[in-house]
Amino acid sequence: EIVLTQSPTTMAASPGEKVTITCRASSSVSYMHWFQQKSGTSPKPWIYDTSKLASGVPDRFSGSGSGTSYSLTISSMEAEDAATYYCLQRSSYPPTFGGGTKLELK
Amino acid sequence: EVQLVESGGGLVKPGSSLKLSCVASGFTFSSYGMHWIRQAPKKGLEWIALIYYDSSNKYYADSVKGRFTISRDNSKNTLYLEMNSLRSEDTAMYYCAKLGAGWGQGVMVTVSS
Repeated sequence: EIVLTQSPTTMAASPGEKVTITCRASSSVSYMHWFQQKSGTSPKPWIYDTSKLASGVPDRFSGSGSGTSYSLTISSMEAEDAATYYCLQRSSYPPTFGGGTKLELK
Repeated sequence: EVQLVESGGGLVKPGSSLKLSCVASGFTFSSYGMHWIRQAPKKGLEWIALIYYDSSNKYYADSVKGRFTISRDNSKNTLYLEMNSLRSEDTAMYYCAKLGAGWGQGVMVTVSS
C-alpha cells in the first residue's frame, strides 16, 4: 500500500499570501488528485491528474509534481480557501489518501 | 451534474449488519466504477471499496475485507454497501463517490452498545 504524507498538517495564511501544501508518496505514482473539504460537508474534487482544476475551482489554485512529490499551491490566499485539503493516489491499489492539511485564515 | 444520495445509516450494536444505498443521477451510472469512502469522526478519509461499472471486479480495503460487500444495480442507478459483523471502529460517515467527479452528502453509521 502506498502511504501519502501531507505537510504541513495545519497552517494559517493571511489574505493574499501564497500557500503550498505538499504530498509525498512512499512509492512513485503517476498522478495525484486533491479534494477540498469544509466543516460539515462532503469532500469536493478540486484538482485531478496532478494539475487539472475541477469545474468551478478558481485559477489561483494550481497543482504540480511527479514521482513521489506533489503539491497544491494557492497563489493568493482568500477567506473562502480555508478548508482541509486531502491528496489521493489511485495509481496503485488500494487507493490511499493523505492525512489532510487544515488551512486556516490568519 | 453528478448527484449521489446515500441512505441506510443509523445506530447499531456491535456484530450487527447494515446495508447502505446510494442513488445516482446526472451521469451514465452504468458506465463508471463507483467507490465507498468513510471518515471516522474528526479523522481523515479512508477508501474502503470499489466496484467496476459492470460489477466484473470488486476491491476492498483490508480493514473491511470479508465483512463488507459492494454491489450495484445499474437498472436502478444504485450502489450498495452491505456491512456485516460491524465493529465500533466502523463508526464513520460513509460516502459513495464517483471519485473524480462528485461525492454524496454522506450517511452516518454508529456502532455502539
